[in-house]
Amino acid sequence: GNSVTQMEGPVTLSEEAFLTINCTYTATGYPSLFWYVQYPGEGLQLLLKATKADDKGSNKGFEATYRKETTSFHLEKGSVQVSDSAVYFCALRDSGGSNYKLTFGKGTLLTVNP
Amino acid sequence: DSGVTQTPKHLITATGQRVTLRCSPRSGDLSVYWYQQSLDQGLQFLIQYYNGEERAKGNILERFSAQQFPDLHSELNLSSLELGDSALYFCASSVTGLAGRSSYNEQFFGPGTRLTVL
Repeated sequence: GNSVTQMEGPVTLSEEAFLTINCTYTATGYPSLFWYVQYPGEGLQLLLKATKADDKGSNKGFEATYRKETTSFHLEKGSVQVSDSAVYFCALRDSGGSNYKLTFGKGTLLTVNP
Repeated sequence: DSGVTQTPKHLITATGQRVTLRCSPRSGDLSVYWYQQSLDQGLQFLIQYYNGEERAKGNILERFSAQQFPDLHSELNLSSLELGDSALYFCASSVTGLAGRSSYNEQFFGPGTRLTVL
């Protein structure tokens, strides 16, 4: 079955540091890939997505590139802010059939200190 | 604000009891998904409904059931509750959830219902 593995947290950075959160996946076919963010006490928000190989998703300074050859979708940001402190989830969605469920990684807690 | 609403926000109950969680999708969305977020299992897909019909099932226990009503709101019923059912339950909605344009399948999440079983 499908699975998503993301780096274990927690990750603690200072403001303006570079962020990478690794994500790899196992899936049949050509899944769509997502990063969701969960701020304290809130639901999940879609951060960015990519639907095919070599696509780059970007939003709010975050980027991730769909790498089919390495089955990866690593999240990066050049300069993090305190407001980026949250839990980040990598997820995939099957490309075919009628099942559009999301399969999530375990989540990575990011804390950014001033 | 995603446009997906869930009630109640918090629910505290005892083992063996039954509870109902409610979800109202975004206006115009036909698909509703339920997910469970727990410390040990992470975020897991439970079940999907599309326009009133069950579309897909995930790791949903037999003690749990769901339905989607003609006005498209959905309810998740949890019965014979156990301590291990304590979790955050999220509802998400999308336009279709069927094959077609990927943008129609983007899922928007509600704020969740935190269930505590004592």
